[in-house]
Amino acid sequence: GQQLNQSPQSMFIQEGEDVSMNCTSSSIFNTWLWYKQDPGEGPVLLIALYKAGELTSNGRLTAQFGITRKDSFLNISASIPSDVGIYFCAGRDPTSGTYKYIFGTGTRLKVLA
Amino acid sequence: DAMVIQNPRYQVTQFGKPVTLSCSQTLNHNVMYWYQQKSSQAPKLLFHYYDKDFNNEADTPDNFQSRRPNTSFCFLDIRSPGLGDAAMYLCATSRENSPLHFGNGTRLTVT
Repeated sequence: GQQLNQSPQSMFIQEGEDVSMNCTSSSIFNTWLWYKQDPGEGPVLLIALYKAGELTSNGRLTAQFGITRKDSFLNISASIPSDVGIYFCAGRDPTSGTYKYIFGTGTRLKVLA
Repeated sequence: DAMVIQNPRYQVTQFGKPVTLSCSQTLNHNVMYWYQQKSSQAPKLLFHYYDKDFNNEADTPDNFQSRRPNTSFCFLDIRSPGLGDAAMYLCATSRENSPLHFGNGTRLTVT
């Protein structure tokens, strides 16, 4: 089946640093979503992307839908301690015929104050 | 606020004892999903409903069933839970091409 590979798997950064993570697919997706999940909670939507090349910001977060439609990245600028958590990308397969989203393997972020 | 609500937040069941997890939504979304998530892994789709149409993933065990009696409610039934079924179960909703909106999940423990 399809897989979404996310990198890095985990990262430790200092407060105030910028963070970058990405997600790649073996096939084309027509929607990319980025979520943050805190321990014991459900994922919370950060950014949704619908068009190749689209660049969208949400506060300190910026995400882009890759031109090839097989990748997406998420940047966090000036990280703060509450950015800690697991970040997941999710993509929707346009050929599946259903509204099915596949999730990436996640990037665990730890911010050192 | 419109939202996705899962009950209970924590559920303990015995090995082999049937258990039902519930999800309700006030978003009036026509698609509802059940995901299984184990220890910080990626959520894994079990099945989803598009309106009343049920879509099962090929690798979802027969032990897992679902019911959607109306637009607002969806249930996950685990007929004979095994130790390997201990996980966080996440319900999500969407409307056609809109993003997924998740509930806070039910953490299932099997003893």
